Amino acid sequence: DQQVKQNSPSLSVQEGRISILNCDYTNSMFDYFLWYKKYPAEGPTFLISISSIKDKNEDGRFTVFLNKSAKHLSLHIVPSQPGDSAVYFCAARAGGGADGLTFGKGTHLIIQP
Amino acid sequence: DAGVIQSPRHEVTEMGQEVTLRCKPISGHNSLFWYRQTMMRGLELLIYFNNNVPIDDSGMPEDRFSAKMPNASFSTLKIQPSEPRDSAVYFCASSLAGGTQYFGPGTRLTVL
Repeated sequence: DQQVKQNSPSLSVQEGRISILNCDYTNSMFDYFLWYKKYPAEGPTFLISISSIKDKNEDGRFTVFLNKSAKHLSLHIVPSQPGDSAVYFCAARAGGGADGLTFGKGTHLIIQP
Repeated sequence: DAGVIQSPRHEVTEMGQEVTLRCKPISGHNSLFWYRQTMMRGLELLIYFNNNVPIDDSGMPEDRFSAKMPNASFSTLKIQPSEPRDSAVYFCASSLAGGTQYFGPGTRLTVL
């Protein structure tokens, strides 16, 4: 049973438009959420995070929204650029901070020129 | 600054052989994590250490898997004996005091 779900294996977006990647979770104990970006043959790279006490966090072109009641978060990329083409992983953590992460299976974002 | 270093980057071995994967965390980080990525299960946590002490190894699939962290700058993940279903990319990550986890480039393991 997957506790973190990314239901879209892939997403294609035109350059300059908004990319919206979605993530759902089932574990109510999760209180910290992260997005990682991964290029082929590289390790995941941290992108942005959000604590459960917030509903939005913004960093440049990247914004993460958290809807706790729906157990849903989303990553918005505006505007999308060719370098954004990668696999994006949603991850979650429960209490403390020094624990391991639970990952979704990832969404492959393809930015088309 | 060097990031997390993993070796080897690629490993091809035959079923039944012992495999040892190595990780050097970022200097100063006190938490170290081993993850495995497969097509079927995605990225899953195998084990993690805080201050060189194993905290949670519930993700280790079988007794064939073992991990050690003899000091703050080195960790190993060993599979003995290896099986074809162990083929995957193994990632090591480190963090400081519960902060962001930084991942190494991974070791791609193929067991024939």
